[in-house]
Amino acid sequence: AQTIHQWPVAEIKAVGSPLSLGCTIKGKSSPNLYWYWQATGGTLQQLFYSITVGQVESVVQLNLSASRPKDDQFILSTEKLLLSHSGFYLCAWSAGLGGYEQYFGPGTRLTVL
Amino acid sequence: GDSVTQTEGLVTVTEGLPVKLNCTYQTTYLTIAFFWYVQYLNEAPQVLLKSSTDNKRTEHQGFHATLHKSSSSFHLQKSSAQLSDSALYYCALIYGNEKITFGAGTKLTIKP
Repeated sequence: AQTIHQWPVAEIKAVGSPLSLGCTIKGKSSPNLYWYWQATGGTLQQLFYSITVGQVESVVQLNLSASRPKDDQFILSTEKLLLSHSGFYLCAWSAGLGGYEQYFGPGTRLTVL
Repeated sequence: GDSVTQTEGLVTVTEGLPVKLNCTYQTTYLTIAFFWYVQYLNEAPQVLLKSSTDNKRTEHQGFHATLHKSSSSFHLQKSSAQLSDSALYYCALIYGNEKITFGAGTKLTIKP
């Protein structure tokens, strides 16, 4: 069975500080990977997706970047956090292209002060 | 642009009565797929239903939805609401090369 793990579970950071959030998927080779952001009380906003190692497509950047250093790993980062970065960050995977359902990880709650 | 509209932000239904959550969309893509996701409090979203076939009803856990391309809709329905159905529901459109757009979400509350 596939499992998706996100770290950290929660983070409190200062404005202007760097950030790195991680996601790993076990039990599935070559998954499609996705990053989402959800403001408190808001909808899900797709940020990035990756179909293969080393390749990341940006949907909405929000002054964030993403990388896929390994087949099973997806990283979301920024060098300078803004207050507007606060929210819930979700990583998801899917088995392929063309309408496969996406399976979400448990998420990381980020508070920027 | 491509968009998904969920007109009701909040829906309250009495237990045992029917539920209908509306979802309409706009897209220029021909190949599309739709999902309904459910998100329980402090949990990640999970797939409830999916469809990419016009006029075909899909069902899961008592919920059903039919994609109607003629009216650009994918409404979610259930004949008899249960207290455990209380959650956030998102309609989502997948189009292009793995791009996905979520609706604003509908918070469904089932009261006894």
